[in-house]
Amino acid sequence: DGGITQSPKYLFRKEGQNVTLSCEQNLNHDAMYWYRQDPGQGLRLIYYSQIVNDFQKGDIAEGYSVSREKKESFPLTVTSAQKNPTAFYLCASSIHRDVVGGYTFGSGTRLTVV
Amino acid sequence: GENVEQHPSTLSVQEGDSAVIKCTYSDSASNYFPWYKQELGKRPQLIIDIRSNVGEKKDQRIAVTLNKTAKHFSLHITETQPEDSAVYFCAASRGTSYDKVIFGPGTSLSVIP
Repeated sequence: DGGITQSPKYLFRKEGQNVTLSCEQNLNHDAMYWYRQDPGQGLRLIYYSQIVNDFQKGDIAEGYSVSREKKESFPLTVTSAQKNPTAFYLCASSIHRDVVGGYTFGSGTRLTVV
Repeated sequence: GENVEQHPSTLSVQEGDSAVIKCTYSDSASNYFPWYKQELGKRPQLIIDIRSNVGEKKDQRIAVTLNKTAKHFSLHITETQPEDSAVYFCAASRGTSYDKVIFGPGTSLSVIP
């Protein structure tokens, strides 16, 4: 998976449930990101983290939460407060803090509310 | 807030023809412009990027041009092949990983054999 692994590939959530999407990288990248992809809307930033134990809200953070306890891991929790969670979720990482050189993306998690 | 527009949203070309995708950005402080290719069901992958200190960059059949004054940049694919069929995203950033990368909405390119 090119150094950044997302799991599971498919996830089904019932109404009112919280679910957690996993993102792990072994690239020694400092920064990690979560994006949501909906058809025709490109990639929208949910949360990002530049360093362990620190993270920032993106453009659509409501209904989501994250943690960054380890450099390698940046899990995303989709809470019951997210009213329309069905989407394709992409995790990404980048190497430098001072100069961005492009992202490496994971293979994504497709979340469906049932 | 910052915004990146991208046109066209869909593009069909005959195999061997050229394809051009254009983007405009709103944040004048942007200085890093990557392009990503996403094949159906797969992850986006960086195919080329350009920084604001150059006006053009080329890598085999793909090239990117940047006009900072007009705040627009373009992707050019020459001699298109069926495997070029994908969704292409442009993006803009102020250039450090402290800064958000703003993506365009994507262009779905179909290359007809």
